[in-house]
Amino acid sequence: DSGVTQTPKHLITATGQRVTLRCSPRSGDLSVYWYQQSLDQGLQFLIQYYNGEERAKGNILERFSAQQFPDLHSELNLSSLELGDSALYFCASSQSGRGGQEQFFGPGTRLTVL
Amino acid sequence: QQQVKQSPQSLIVQKGGISIINCAYENTAFDYFPWYQQFPGKGPALLIAIRPDVSEKKEGRFTISFNKSAKQFSLHIMDSQPGDSATYFCAASGVLTGGGNKLTFGTGTQLKVEL
Repeated sequence: DSGVTQTPKHLITATGQRVTLRCSPRSGDLSVYWYQQSLDQGLQFLIQYYNGEERAKGNILERFSAQQFPDLHSELNLSSLELGDSALYFCASSQSGRGGQEQFFGPGTRLTVL
Repeated sequence: QQQVKQSPQSLIVQKGGISIINCAYENTAFDYFPWYQQFPGKGPALLIAIRPDVSEKKEGRFTISFNKSAKQFSLHIMDSQPGDSATYFCAASGVLTGGGNKLTFGTGTQLKVEL
């Protein structure tokens, strides 16, 4: 158990809908990361937050947004969902936001868009 | 330039054998190279990591070998066990403009250790 929690574990929804994925980092970690894992794209970095502020951005779609709250938990919002958004979404956390920090991953949320 | 290339895609090893997975990178700004182990239905778990100031790091049965000039690094699993059967990902990160810390992952290697 990495200490990173994610809810829900599974999410099934329809195209065009909007969903929110939630992540709580390990105790003491200030930085949160979101990754998408799909069969065709592998593990892809989406976005990083550090202490409430956006720190780095990957190939995150404009339909996707995230935020980190004062209690350091983070939410990833996915809107206007398409079939291709079906994937595993992982949250990771690290102590600081600097390069070379160990990242610990949560158990993931499996999103299925029908 | 952000790619990390991983091989082989899959690997079958006999129990007690040595499993070797290789990765190569292009971006010389990378300065942290972790390996993750992932079991079906679980999140990636940090296994071992290395920085470019050393050429080898060993933790139990797991060893990373690092060749800075060739821009390659590899994971060796000694005395491979059936419980090691999982997907292994290499990754790399470096200092980004603005201080971010994204991981760039290889495509993964499915390891199966047979009895």
